[in-house]
Amino acid sequence: DTGVSQNPRHKITKRGQNVTFRCDPISEHNRLYWYRQTLGQGPEFLTYFQNEAQLEKSRLLSDRFSAERPKGSFSTLEIQRTEQGDSAMYLCASSFWGLVNEKLFFGSGTQLSVL
Amino acid sequence: SQQGEEDPQALSIQEGENATMNCSYKTSINNLQWYRQNSGRGLVHLILIRSNEREKHSGRLRVTLDTSKKSSSLLITASRAADTASYFCATDSTGNQFYFGTGTSLTVIP
Repeated sequence: DTGVSQNPRHKITKRGQNVTFRCDPISEHNRLYWYRQTLGQGPEFLTYFQNEAQLEKSRLLSDRFSAERPKGSFSTLEIQRTEQGDSAMYLCASSFWGLVNEKLFFGSGTQLSVL
Repeated sequence: SQQGEEDPQALSIQEGENATMNCSYKTSINNLQWYRQNSGRGLVHLILIRSNEREKHSGRLRVTLDTSKKSSSLLITASRAADTASYFCATDSTGNQFYFGTGTSLTVIP
């Protein structure tokens, strides 16, 4: 068990560019979540997958954001035409969902800065 | 939108003292969890309490849940400098996702 891995740890980009983040969950976990966190705030839910199916997306998630989880393993989060307001820490978490939803295991996050 | 709110927003105590932080939430829940986050890192799960439980202990942690008041408290006893972090409550209402509160920033002074 190597934990949840996120890459890159930091990303600096210019406004209007596209960025992609990767998350590798704990291997036996069937659920994968993406959260966004700004300074001084709690994590804000973006979307989650059960296996390869994207089951829910936050209404806050604009059309510029897209996430995939091919084959139910790793996941990518892409932001197109980045804006300065997209600057935040993007956190990935995974869990094993069975009869009850249990705890989340978080990665260290990707810190995005849009200049 | 975030479901919960922690109180206080910031707390500073001396090492050895107890720290209490509170969480209020808006809708009925299946369970409530507390997480810890060190600066610039991901969150780490501390403890989970189900809606039919009133109190739970884990080491130096004690969590209470009052579903009638839609509130929970986290008590850290005999605090240590290493407990310095932000603490978040997270609620699970649907069994599908977790909503996090705004967090309490705890500073333990050696």
